[in-house]
Amino acid sequence: AQKITQTQPGMFVQEKEAVTLDCTYDTSDPSYGLFWYKQPSSGEMIFLIYQGSYDQQNATEGRYSLNFQKARKSANLVISASQLGDSAMYFCAMREDLTGGGNKLTFGTGTQLKVEL
Amino acid sequence: DVKVTQSSRYLVKRTGEKVFLECVQDMDHENMFWYRQDPGLGLRLIYFSYDVKMKEKGDIPEGYSVSREKKERFSLILESASTNQTSMYLCASRLGLSRAKLFFGSGTQLSVL
Repeated sequence: AQKITQTQPGMFVQEKEAVTLDCTYDTSDPSYGLFWYKQPSSGEMIFLIYQGSYDQQNATEGRYSLNFQKARKSANLVISASQLGDSAMYFCAMREDLTGGGNKLTFGTGTQLKVEL
Repeated sequence: DVKVTQSSRYLVKRTGEKVFLECVQDMDHENMFWYRQDPGLGLRLIYFSYDVKMKEKGDIPEGYSVSREKKERFSLILESASTNQTSMYLCASRLGLSRAKLFFGSGTQLSVL
């Protein structure tokens, strides 16, 4: 079963507008973490933001914020004041803690964001 | 800065060949991962390791194996390459801490003909 679901294959947003990229996840563990990564056309993977399952507040990093709704199992990324350089593929990922030790990180299928003038 | 180095940026191999993809990290990270990235499918986890000589199957391990003889090196092995293994392969590493982020290599684009 898909653990991380990103339902928007592509999104368009106008420059300077805010945009929300959706991510839902599935786990029965109480301890987990959620990451967002950006992959521009160059191919590099850029870490954006992290949210722990026990964190009391929603994570923020500059123009990025994570709308964490634990009961709904969603961890949507909000980008404020979009810029042309935000055009990229965005991936949501979940960290699961294994009983034998170690962590497993799985990714969603991604959302291609295009920022327009 | 953390460096995750993948030995080849592009590789072309023939069906049936044994293929080795090498990944080395320089920051003493416990966790290492191999993903493949295909359009529309995102990053899919092949294998991961949280300690030397430890390995765990990811979501799509069939047709692959791994080796982690030293902490800094994690190798992905295609025992008998097939055309459906043509893909971009990404190696990543991280500390074994909850909030630790993944650091990625630049990827290996493998073509199996």
